[in-house]
Amino acid sequence: NAGVTQTPKFRILKIGQSMTLQCAQDMNHNYMYWYRQDPGMGLKLIYYSVGAGITDKGEVPNGYNVSRSTTEYFPLRLELAAPSQTSVYFCASSYGTGNYGYTFGSGTRLTVV
Amino acid sequence: KQEVTQIPAALSVPEGENLVLNCSFTDSAIYNLQWFRQDPGKGLTSLLLIQSSQREQTSGRLNASLDKSSGRSTLYIAASQPGDSATYLCAVGNNNDMRFGAGTRLTVKP
Repeated sequence: NAGVTQTPKFRILKIGQSMTLQCAQDMNHNYMYWYRQDPGMGLKLIYYSVGAGITDKGEVPNGYNVSRSTTEYFPLRLELAAPSQTSVYFCASSYGTGNYGYTFGSGTRLTVV
Repeated sequence: KQEVTQIPAALSVPEGENLVLNCSFTDSAIYNLQWFRQDPGKGLTSLLLIQSSQREQTSGRLNASLDKSSGRSTLYIAASQPGDSATYLCAVGNNNDMRFGAGTRLTVKP
């Protein structure tokens, strides 16, 4: 049972480049989330999805885009990377709100230089 | 807007000691509260999930309590071990979102 899988684990980008962070879950969870974690800080929500075809902005969406064409996959797209996007990115999934907790992936460490 | 605060930011204890980590939140209208453990350079591992209707949850040496009216949760770790050294994150679940505290970095010395 793989749970939530994120790729790549590490990446270095140059300013202005773009990339897609991949996230896949095999638990048939409806809800998926993208968070970023900066040093010494809590996680902040970037985008979330409550099901295939439905996405919405979180607390810090600027500079990012997402899509959710299937239940399993929830990629995060960075366009025109900036140094402020240097962070660790976590994908999470859940059956829903209320009675269900979150399952997290192992993270992608991104450095923009 | 929900704000989650964890005190202390760092804690160092000798092995075998019982300890309490604190989490406070500003909006009591929560769905649940979840405690996570994060090892350096790793992802988050769920420890305990408390539903809004519950007051505590236990798993092994861990016990988490929830007092919605006062906006507080505690994570009690009994008989601490060096392997418990990690950052512990508290997260409060609202509709479609979970807000995180900055964490408490715990060091258990042999």
